Amino acid sequence: AQKVTQAQTEISVVEKEDVTLDCVYETRDTTYYLFWYKQPPSGELVFLIRRNSFDEQNEISGRYSWNFQKSTSSFNFTITASQVVDSAVYFCALSTGGFKTIFGAGTRLFVKA
Amino acid sequence: SAVISQKPSRDICQRGTSLTIQCQVDSQVTMMFWYRQQPGQSLTLIATANQGSEATYESGFVIDKFPISRPNLTFSTLTVSNMSPEDSSIYLCSVIDTGELFFGEGSRLTVL
Repeated sequence: AQKVTQAQTEISVVEKEDVTLDCVYETRDTTYYLFWYKQPPSGELVFLIRRNSFDEQNEISGRYSWNFQKSTSSFNFTITASQVVDSAVYFCALSTGGFKTIFGAGTRLFVKA
Repeated sequence: SAVISQKPSRDICQRGTSLTIQCQVDSQVTMMFWYRQQPGQSLTLIATANQGSEATYESGFVIDKFPISRPNLTFSTLTVSNMSPEDSSIYLCSVIDTGELFFGEGSRLTVL
């Protein structure tokens, strides 16, 4: 069975702090994709990153970075020097054969000025 | 990247009525998906809609309640039938394009 766990329901930080959002997944498939999405208060879903199961390289994009570790089935997301505009709900998602995608429960991030 | 348009963007509906949501994609895609996001919750897959075949529903969702049409490779509809307040949600259409999952902006339904 496929599963995505985002154990952190809510995180609150002060602007300029670094924050890491955790994502642990379960799947028996050897080929799969992992995603992160941002859902700001306005409600739309913003695609952040996709990573396939054969690419364990970490990725950095500006203030965002992702740490993919197959050994621990984790795909964690770090925001460096957080800003108020980073306040949103962040979803981790897993897509396997057939391209069905399941989402974690989401982590609500509050960044205070 | 695929661009997805959904209509309506929001609606207020009366209990017992039905509403059809349209999803239009700017390119041909094999697989389209419908998700529901209840207030404060994550996204839950309702069904997968492939052109030329019946939609495949996830556990907890049935065709009588959520009939889906997929007449061609760029269009799909989801109907929410006999609505109750528990159906108040955002309904999202999504597609896979070049390995990415793209979402429409969602249709926010409120059932009174």
